[in-house]
Amino acid sequence: AQKITQTQPGMFVQEKEAVTLDCTYDTSDPSYGLFWYKQPSSGEMIFLIYQGSYDQQNATEGRYSLNFQKARKSANLVISASQLGDSAMYFCAMRANAGGTSYGKLTFGQGTILTVHP
Amino acid sequence: GAGVSQSPSNKVTEKGKDVELRCDPISGHTALYWYRQSLGQGLEFLIYFQGNSAPDKSGLPSDRFSAERTGGSVSTLTIQRTQQEDSAVYLCASSLRGEKGYTFGSGTRLTVV
Repeated sequence: AQKITQTQPGMFVQEKEAVTLDCTYDTSDPSYGLFWYKQPSSGEMIFLIYQGSYDQQNATEGRYSLNFQKARKSANLVISASQLGDSAMYFCAMRANAGGTSYGKLTFGQGTILTVHP
Repeated sequence: GAGVSQSPSNKVTEKGKDVELRCDPISGHTALYWYRQSLGQGLEFLIYFQGNSAPDKSGLPSDRFSAERTGGSVSTLTIQRTQQEDSAVYLCASSLRGEKGYTFGSGTRLTVV
């Protein structure tokens, strides 16, 4: 079974500052993928970044980076230079990559609401 | 289409009625997923389709819930004899093999009164 834990119900950050959203996970699968999604008030889920469990380097996508610490089973999202449009709910998720498959259900955490202040 | 399309966007139904929710995935996407999101909560997995078959339906909460996919494209989630606890946003997502991120639709907000 897989479990994702996001311990921060809400976070506040000043515009242009960096913020870290925490995510820890638990799985017995040797191969897995970790995802972060953004959900604005409109409700749509927007894919931000992906980290494979065997990737040697931390993933980066523009202002988003994933601080992957495999031994600690953590996959924190770092948003640099926060913008007002970053205010949203953020979800961490994982998927088992059994047999090298890239399909299968995502297991989501409860989410963190990020508010960016001007 | 350009994205995952879900209809209706909103549905209000009376307790005990049946409802059908529709998902049109991105053309060519072979995998399709249904999730449920209750107010202020995370996403709860319901069912996953690969083509027209459902290798993982472990998240369907009861036998009142069923889903099908035809032609490897459109999927319908059916909830029979709706209950108030079925009120939630139902999200659909699709993906291509090897694609890292799944593309979600805007969801159907279901309210059972």
